[in-house]
Amino acid sequence: NAGVTQTPKFRILKIGQSMTLQCAQDMNHNYMYWYRQDPGMGLKLIYYSVGAGITDKGEVPNGYNVSRSTTEDFPLRLELAAPSQTSVYFCASSPHPQAHDSPLHFGNGTRLTVT
Amino acid sequence: RKEVEQDPGPFNVPEGATVAFNCTYSNSASQSFFWYRQDCRKEPKLLMSVYSSGNEDGRFTAQLNRASQYISLLIRDSKLSDSATYLCVVNSEGLTGGGNKLTFGTGTQLKVEL
Repeated sequence: NAGVTQTPKFRILKIGQSMTLQCAQDMNHNYMYWYRQDPGMGLKLIYYSVGAGITDKGEVPNGYNVSRSTTEDFPLRLELAAPSQTSVYFCASSPHPQAHDSPLHFGNGTRLTVT
Repeated sequence: RKEVEQDPGPFNVPEGATVAFNCTYSNSASQSFFWYRQDCRKEPKLLMSVYSSGNEDGRFTAQLNRASQYISLLIRDSKLSDSATYLCVVNSEGLTGGGNKLTFGTGTQLKVEL
C-alpha cells in the first residue's frame, strides 16, 4: 500500500517554464489537497477536490491549475513558473472531511525551485 | 492577529525532560484541533487529535482551552527521536466545495539533546 505518491521529488525550473506535479493515492480517498510550505510559514492550501470531476480553489490558487479525472490522481499544473512559486509542495488525501478520525495523509513532497 | 500562532522555538531540552508547547487560535468558532509532527525535510504526520476533555497517548498529552482559545501539547520523558517540528492545526470552517479548511501554524521546533 503506497499511500500518497508524489513525483518528482525535486525540480528546478526557469522562469516562464511550465510543469505538472503528479500526485496519486491508492487508498480510494475522496478528498485530495495541494498545499505549499514556505520557510517560516504554515502550509497554505492551493487547490482541493472532494471527488473525481470536482475541484475548488483554496487560499493561494493564483498561478496554478488542477484536474481530477479519477479518484486516484490529482495533478497540479504550473503554467508560467515564477520565482514566488519556489516552495515545497505537498499533496494530501483523506477519506472524509477532516475529522478526528480522518487525518490527512501527505505525500513526501516536491521541492521546486524557480530561477 | 494570525489565525494560528505558535512559538517557533527552538526548544532545546535534555533527554528525559518534560516539555510543553502552546498554540493560540483566533477563530472562536473553530471545531477541531490537531497536532502534527514534521521531521526535517519530510511530510507532516498526524500526532494526535485534541479533544475537548483533553487526551493522552503514551507520553503525549493534548489539552484544549476554548475560553482562552489555545491548545497545548505536553511531552513527558523526552526522547532523542522526539526531535521534530510540531505543527498546530485548526479546523475552522467548511470549504465551499466541501471538506474543511485546515489552518496550519508555522510549527514549534523541538530539539532533544543527550
